[in-house]
Amino acid sequence: KAGVTQTPRYLIKTRGQQVTLSCSPISGHRSVSWYQQTPGQGLQFLFEYFSETQRNKGNFPGRFSGRQFSNSRSEMNVSTLELGDSALYLCASSLALGGDYEQYFGPGTRLTVT
Amino acid sequence: SQQGEEDPQALSIQEGENATMNCSYKTSINNLQWYRQNSGRGLVHLILIRSNEREKHSGRLRVTLDTSKKSSSLLITASRAADTASYFCATAAYNTDKLIFGTGTRLQVFP
Repeated sequence: KAGVTQTPRYLIKTRGQQVTLSCSPISGHRSVSWYQQTPGQGLQFLFEYFSETQRNKGNFPGRFSGRQFSNSRSEMNVSTLELGDSALYLCASSLALGGDYEQYFGPGTRLTVT
Repeated sequence: SQQGEEDPQALSIQEGENATMNCSYKTSINNLQWYRQNSGRGLVHLILIRSNEREKHSGRLRVTLDTSKKSSSLLITASRAADTASYFCATAAYNTDKLIFGTGTRLQVFP
């Protein structure tokens, strides 16, 4: 069974631009969660989608948004990029809503904002 | 904000030694999970222990959970250089489906 894939793996953007990251979950998994990882803040929960609906949201500004498609693939978008958005963005999929099931992580997208 | 705090922040040991990491959390939980992350990569699930369980084993891993103290420990026996990684605990609190990660312990195992 193929694992979670994330594209692109690396991205360099300029402050003020926007970016879209993509995540394809493991086949059969309906829940997709997104996390931001930085050296200073650690792993921070962004949001979770299940059956195309956002079920949980972390404490991030409205510049961070996401969506999930009918095939469970998910995208997250960050608008008006700031230097502090530089981070490793991790996507994870699970069979059901993430709290009660193990999550399978992708390799991450490393975003650098200059 | 983080739910869990790991202790120690960093740990260095020799191959063959045991490594113990601790996790403390703040609220009542449904379960607690441990994950490993190799440098700059995605996380790998190690073990899930439910709130009504006290101890769980998986290969060289042993996890304990003390809900009265809101703490858990991960023991890796007979460590190998390949165990070098960061280890995170993650908790799912009651009435939420969010999985919140702790601050992590960086383990270095020297050959």
